Amino acid sequence: EAQVTQNPRYLITVTGKKLTVTCSQNMNHEYMSWYRQDPGLGLRQIYYSMNVEVTDKGDVPEGYKVSRKEKRNFPLILESPSPNQTSLYFCASSTRQGTSPLHFGNGTRLTVT
Amino acid sequence: QQQVKQSPQSLIVQKGGIPIINCAYENTAFDYFPWYQQFPGKGPALLIAIRPDVSEKKEGRFTISFNKSAKQFSLHIMDSQPGDSATYFCAASITNAGKSTFGDGTTLTVKP
Repeated sequence: EAQVTQNPRYLITVTGKKLTVTCSQNMNHEYMSWYRQDPGLGLRQIYYSMNVEVTDKGDVPEGYKVSRKEKRNFPLILESPSPNQTSLYFCASSTRQGTSPLHFGNGTRLTVT
Repeated sequence: QQQVKQSPQSLIVQKGGIPIINCAYENTAFDYFPWYQQFPGKGPALLIAIRPDVSEKKEGRFTISFNKSAKQFSLHIMDSQPGDSATYFCAASITNAGKSTFGDGTTLTVKP
């Protein structure tokens, strides 16, 4: 089944403790992206990757890191999480940005205390 | 600066009604306009998409109307059903550019 898999689904952590949210897709998509969803603010793009080893900032990149060492994986790293990063995070992929739809994972709900 | 403005924030209709969700954009370079549907506990999923060379697109009960001169596009749901109750997002992007911009979302409730 074609899908985008995120792990974990739920994560509760404390301020400053480094964490990684994994994202993997099995559709051989070139493009991958991370979003955060907050009430009333829609989906805001954090980082995106046009292809392996090519990443760039979205609209809200502060406090986040990403890497794209292989085509299928695009982990999101929070090196020193803060409470304002408490949010619902989505990973997405597509064949080619702007010409095909995004396929989203089921989300990771992160709480930073 | 919000590049895609979506309204209304929430919408309640009776079964069989025709909810309409509107989006307005600013960047004339946008050339792909998808609508996504999201159910609780799930990620958004593509509903229907349009390009600016087309003024209307229908897929089943869902229709996008696109007005390039006004920089607006809207989603119409014909004969709405309780199962259509979800959050809807419009989005806009540029071919081969990395960024995609979403509206703030509309929570639709269809009452039986």
